[in-house]
This record gives sequence, C-alpha cells and structure tokens, in this order.
Amino acid sequence: GAGVSQTPSNKVTEKGKYVELRCDPISGHTALYWYRQSLGQGPEFLIYFQGTGAADDSGLPNDRFFAVRPEGSVSTLKIQRTERGDSAVYLCASSFYYTGEISGNEQFFGPGTRLTVL
Amino acid sequence: DQQVKQNSPSLSVQEGRISILNCDYTNSMFDYFLWYKKYPAEGPTFLISISSIKDKNEDGRFTVFLNKSAKHLSLHIVPSQPGDSAVYFCAASALSLGNYQLIWGAGTKLIIKP
Repeated sequence: GAGVSQTPSNKVTEKGKYVELRCDPISGHTALYWYRQSLGQGPEFLIYFQGTGAADDSGLPNDRFFAVRPEGSVSTLKIQRTERGDSAVYLCASSFYYTGEISGNEQFFGPGTRLTVL
Repeated sequence: DQQVKQNSPSLSVQEGRISILNCDYTNSMFDYFLWYKKYPAEGPTFLISISSIKDKNEDGRFTVFLNKSAKHLSLHIVPSQPGDSAVYFCAASALSLGNYQLIWGAGTKLIIKP
C-alpha cells in the first residue's frame, strides 16, 4: 500500500515569500502530524490533527506558521513571510488514532520536504 | 531542556557483532517509547516500540529494553548487518496524558564495518 507522500520534495524560496507544503497520509489513518528537522537534530513537533481539527498546535513556533486539513485527509502546512531560520526538512507522519485499545501511537513518516530560504 | 537524550553521536560496530544504542529521558510521564531508523534523504522508518508496562520487546534482530527506574532504554541489534548503517532515533510520548506528539533524541549514527 502507499505510504505517506509529501510534495514538493524540495522547495527553494526567498526570504519574505509564502510557501505551502503538502502531505498525503496513509489511507485510513485519522491522525496526522507535522514535524521539522534541522541538521544534526531530531525532529521537532509542530502540530497534530485528529480528523479535520488541530488537536494540538503547541509546537508551531509563531503565527507565521499555519496548517489545515479541511477534509480530514490531505494536510497543507503554510508558512508566511519566510525567514532563513525556517530552512529545515519538514516531515509529515500519520497514524491510527490512539484509543487506549491500540497498543501505541506508531507514526509513519513521509520522505519530507526540504525547505531552503535564501 | 532536552527531555530525550542520545549521548553518542556515532557508533561503529563490526558486521555480525551486537550493536547497542542508548537513550535516556527525563520526563517520568513518558509511557511509550519508539525507535526509528533514518537513511539520508528519507523520512524516519519505524523499527520497534515499547510500552512502560513492559521492560523488553523483541522483533527479529531488534530488541528494546526499558529501565524505568533509570529512565533509560536501549536498542540491541544482533547480528549487525551492513544495511543497518543509518541514523537511529529514540522518541517518547506521554499517551496517558493525551500527548501524542513524539519527543525525539538527536540521533546516533550507526556504522557497520564489513
């Protein structure tokens, strides 16, 4: 079956521009997560969706970052007025919704979008 | 303040021998732990997980051990194979608190020597 897909794989933009990053989760997964990873570090949580709503957006660094998941499947991460410090690999993951009856919350990741802000 | 720490940036192991990757955590509310493997230019791939009610979980060549009193977990790979060369991340979550986000260590680069 198809895994998590992310587009574009690479995005180069100029400081101050607006970017959108797209994530297609695994079919049947109701939970979707965005992380970003800087060089030499582990991924850093940004936001988590359960269905269409953002259940936890505590990781978004500031109000330039916003994410949507209007139909409970595909999600778009939007970054306004990009800054050089936003350069990173943006990872999307999906999972089944943990209900306590499932053993855990194994998350399955896409290949990431490498964002470079010049 | 790093809640999940992997203190070894890299580890080199002879093919066929055991690889042991270590991870320490500080948050006692973490109750679910996962190991991921990552190749360059790819996303992390789930390897194995363990709940805090267990102290060991095994899947083929991979075994994860959890020592709650020491807030320490380890991943054992035996025997190590060349294809195991990758960066390994441990991650933790506090499911009982409804926190599904994963908190990650910085990773350990494993190099398997032929």
